[in-house]
Amino acid sequence: GAVVSQHPSWVICKSGTSVKIECRSLDFQATTMFWYRQFPKQSLMLMATSNEGSKATYEQGVEKDKFLINHASLTLSTLTVTSAHPEDSSFYICSAADSTSGANVLTFGAGSRLTVL
Amino acid sequence: GENVEQHPSTLSVQEGDSAVIKCTYSDSASNYFPWYKQELGKGPQLIIDIRSNVGEKKDQRIAVTLNKTAKHFSLHITETQPEDSAVYFCAAGSGGGADGLTFGKGTHLIIQP
Repeated sequence: GAVVSQHPSWVICKSGTSVKIECRSLDFQATTMFWYRQFPKQSLMLMATSNEGSKATYEQGVEKDKFLINHASLTLSTLTVTSAHPEDSSFYICSAADSTSGANVLTFGAGSRLTVL
Repeated sequence: GENVEQHPSTLSVQEGDSAVIKCTYSDSASNYFPWYKQELGKGPQLIIDIRSNVGEKKDQRIAVTLNKTAKHFSLHITETQPEDSAVYFCAAGSGGGADGLTFGKGTHLIIQP
């Protein structure tokens, strides 16, 4: 089945630094990928929709300059948390759907836990 | 926009018993209803989904039912096992697939040995 790989699985950084998280569709092409943020014991909060070759669409309340999204190819989207602060600490998850498959089912990555000191 | 309500937030059942998790949705245009299982520290995994052209779907111990008129759908797990313990999320969306999914708040299912 479809596999989405997310890297790194966890990262610890100092306040003020930037962190990049990668999301790859391993065996399919994805014109659209989704980025979520999840707080402990809470649901998935959609942050943005990443579109290959064009700008990402951000949900209301999500800062575009804070969370930079790049979708340069049909198999890779990246989320960069710029000038990270402790309040950015969270579990970030990406997902993608095989756009060539009729099912259009969403597959999630394993998530990336960010801790900002 | 779509609003998905999920109940209960926590469900504890004895091993071997059945578990039922219910969701309601608000947008009558929604036509795709997946269920995801999330284990601690991992991403959600699709366990079953249903589209609006059917009322029930079953896969071994897992089944999902959909009532379009009442706008609710449910996940049924029979003969529960310890490995079923996880957080389960329902979701609803239109477009027949992954686009624009709205998630419920999740149900923490605990299987008591």
